[in-house]
Amino acid sequence: AQSVTQLDSQVPVFEEAPVELRCNYSSSVSVYLFWYVQYPNQGLQLLLKYLSGSTLVKGINGFEAEFNKSQTSFHLRKPSVHISDTAEYFCAVSGDSNYQLIWGAGTKLIIKP
Amino acid sequence: ETGVTQSPTHLIKTRGQQVTLRCSSQSGHNTVSWYQQALGQGPQFIFQYYREEENGRGNFPPRFSGLQFPNYSSELNVNALELDDSALYLCASSLAGSYEQYFGPGTRLTVT
Repeated sequence: AQSVTQLDSQVPVFEEAPVELRCNYSSSVSVYLFWYVQYPNQGLQLLLKYLSGSTLVKGINGFEAEFNKSQTSFHLRKPSVHISDTAEYFCAVSGDSNYQLIWGAGTKLIIKP
Repeated sequence: ETGVTQSPTHLIKTRGQQVTLRCSSQSGHNTVSWYQQALGQGPQFIFQYYREEENGRGNFPPRFSGLQFPNYSSELNVNALELDDSALYLCASSLAGSYEQYFGPGTRLTVT
């Protein structure tokens, strides 16, 4: 069964600095990969997705992620963060069946002024 | 295009009671998935409905049940509430055959 590991529970970073949020998955089959953002007391919003094609995918709010099949990773990056990026970020991978998503535990992005 | 809506926003129930949570799909979406998100954790898949039938289920007991209506809206019912059922319940809609899911704001359930 697939699983998702988000290696950092919290990532503090200064405003305007770059950030990388790490995500690794375990799967022996083709997968679809997603990053979602959850602002405080809100639902989940899709940031970006990898379904096929180019391994570098661009999403909303200046985020991008790179699919690395050999390392089974899908790390999320942003070259310059803003205070408004303060949120929790979840990585998800397609499940075995029925189009369910398997989720990581989340990474809290903390922006320091 | 209307997004996914959920009601109520917050709910407080007592252990042993029953609860019904509601979800309206995004316009044009015919599949609804429900997730439980405990504090500090990622969402856990409860089940998915397509064409008013359960289309897959996660590791949740039978006291978690659901319905989907002809207009694709959905309900999540939980019987015999336990303290551990306290969580944010998220509904997501999608098109059949797609992993791309759109989430509602969630219902925060507190069981005392």
